[in-house]
Amino acid sequence: DQQVKQNSPSLSVQEGRISILNCDYTNSMFDYFLWYKKYPAEGPTFLISISSIKDKNEDGRFTVFLNKSAKHLSLHIVPSQPGDSAVYFCAALRKAAGNKLTFGGGTRVLVKP
Amino acid sequence: DTGVSQDPRHKITKRGQNVTFRCDPISEHNRLYWYRQTLGQGPEFLTYFQNEAQLEKSRLLSDRFSAERPKGSFSTLEIQRTEQGDSAMYLCASSLGYSWGQDTDTQYFGPGTRLTVL
Repeated sequence: DQQVKQNSPSLSVQEGRISILNCDYTNSMFDYFLWYKKYPAEGPTFLISISSIKDKNEDGRFTVFLNKSAKHLSLHIVPSQPGDSAVYFCAALRKAAGNKLTFGGGTRVLVKP
Repeated sequence: DTGVSQDPRHKITKRGQNVTFRCDPISEHNRLYWYRQTLGQGPEFLTYFQNEAQLEKSRLLSDRFSAERPKGSFSTLEIQRTEQGDSAMYLCASSLGYSWGQDTDTQYFGPGTRLTVL
């Protein structure tokens, strides 16, 4: 039972262009959604989050959009930089469930110079 | 400000041996989480602590797994009689825990311990 899914295992984008990563979920009880970035041999690094009561959150080059009716969220990175090349994980949590994170399978992003 | 640290970073063991991993959370973080990540998958929740109390264990955590956080600071994860299926990256994360006015409780991850069972 995969409650959080990232259907694109990989994404390749040119430096300076927009990267769009997508995530779908099934559990309407999730309170928060988060994006983490992971480099090889390192732990995930928190990027940005959004509350289930909002539809957009922006932090510098990163913007997360939430469409509750479609149970879909996306992460936009503008402009993409070579240092953004990493695996990106979408995650969700319920406060009532101890905040444990439920992760998607990840999307590998390659930003070409 | 040091982040979450984990030791060892890599562990190779033979099937049937016991292994123990250590996690040191960010100072003053009340919550500590363990996750497991296998190749090509996202991390999966194993267990978590609020201070020294273990509040939840996933059904992924078989009887061969035990976790402790004796003084509410560092935590250990022990796997007894390791099996090849235990080979994975074991990740630890910590968070402050909710306080007044705080809307969310971000988890910060350590670098992980990669376990290989031969």
